[in-house]
Amino acid sequence: DAGVIQSPRHEVTEMGQEVTLRCKPISGHNSLFWYRQTMMRGLELLIYFNNNVPIDDSGMPEDRFSAKMPNASFSTLKIQPSEPRDSAVYFCASSTPYEQYFGPGTRLTVT
Amino acid sequence: RKEVEQDPGPFNVPEGATVAFNCTYSNSASQSFFWYRQDCRKEPKLLMSVYSSGNEDGRFTAQLNRASQYISLLIRDSKLSDSATYLCVVTLNDYKLSFGAGTTVTVRA
Repeated sequence: DAGVIQSPRHEVTEMGQEVTLRCKPISGHNSLFWYRQTMMRGLELLIYFNNNVPIDDSGMPEDRFSAKMPNASFSTLKIQPSEPRDSAVYFCASSTPYEQYFGPGTRLTVT
Repeated sequence: RKEVEQDPGPFNVPEGATVAFNCTYSNSASQSFFWYRQDCRKEPKLLMSVYSSGNEDGRFTAQLNRASQYISLLIRDSKLSDSATYLCVVTLNDYKLSFGAGTTVTVRA
């Protein structure tokens, strides 16, 4: 099993640009999560999908952030327009009922 | 108040030493408890679940004290490979994990 796959692994962009992060969950996992990790705030849940449906998006910081899960094997997190304070590591995770498996993360730098 | 609070450390210990640290959680309705491990510039990975009766996994022992709302992790006979950040994790429901900021452990030769 390849685990959770995220792309790109690193992204450097200028303020104001659109950024799209991608995630392929582990096959058979019904739940998918997007997290953001920074030194200041630690790991924060942004949004949770179950069976491709967004269940909890209370962690999405503002309207500049949006997430989709068009099918069971793919999800995107989009930031438009990006700002320097969005710089962070963004993790995607998928889960069984017992454990969440994290992808390797996308390190985003907005200049 | 943060939902989960941890001593950030760092705990610097020699190989073979025992190291222990705690975390506290604020919501008495919390249901499940875990320790995750995160290596530098890597993703978090589940280390172990924490049960009310306490549990061991090799050199790692986890304890839960619901009355005082804290969780502990003890590492015996520490190895260089134990150097990492240990994240205390608490859940209120089926899916939402609340992460502590992490405790950094460095094991030196």
